[in-house]
Amino acid sequence: DGGITQSPKYLFRKEGQNVTLSCEQNLNHDAMYWYRQDPGQGLRLIYYSQIVNDFQKGDIAEGYSVSREKKESFPLTVTSAQKNPTAFYLCASSTSKETQYFGPGTRLLVL
Amino acid sequence: GENVEQHPSTLSVQEGDSAVIKCTYSDSASNYFPWYKQELGKGPQLIIDIRSNVGEKKDQRIAVTLNKTAKHFSLHITETQPEDSAVYFCAAPNQAGTALIFGKGTTLSVSS
Repeated sequence: DGGITQSPKYLFRKEGQNVTLSCEQNLNHDAMYWYRQDPGQGLRLIYYSQIVNDFQKGDIAEGYSVSREKKESFPLTVTSAQKNPTAFYLCASSTSKETQYFGPGTRLLVL
Repeated sequence: GENVEQHPSTLSVQEGDSAVIKCTYSDSASNYFPWYKQELGKGPQLIIDIRSNVGEKKDQRIAVTLNKTAKHFSLHITETQPEDSAVYFCAAPNQAGTALIFGKGTTLSVSS
């Protein structure tokens, strides 16, 4: 069963804590993306990666970090420098630079 | 700069009516325009897309039209059903062609 998986579904962060969101795909897609979704804001690009061991900042990269050590995996770390992390985080992948397929999302909440 | 504007932000229709959502984009070189449907608490799903070499594409009750001269594209849903209720997003490639820029979404409510 192919697709994109994200875990966990819900994540709670304490003040000053770094947390990591998982994104895995078995679609053999080269490109992977991370978006943040806030009510009324649409989807805003955090980071993207076109190939393994390479990634680029998106529009709102501050306070976030990523790695792309394997083609299948693109984890996102929300660092303590991100002062307003509460949001719905979406991971996507694509074979080309166009059609993107999304995972089910992770909702991050601050305690 | 790169921008995708989407209207309206909310749309309420009666079951069986048609719904139209419009988007405009700023980069005249854009050549790919997808539409996504997002249900509550889930990730967006691609429902239809169109490339710049065609003016219209249909898939059952859903159609997308593209006007490259005016730089706008629209989603048309006919014979709406309650299960069409969701948030719909349009998108277009960024100038570098490395990612998509999304509109802010339209919340469609279909009442029976």
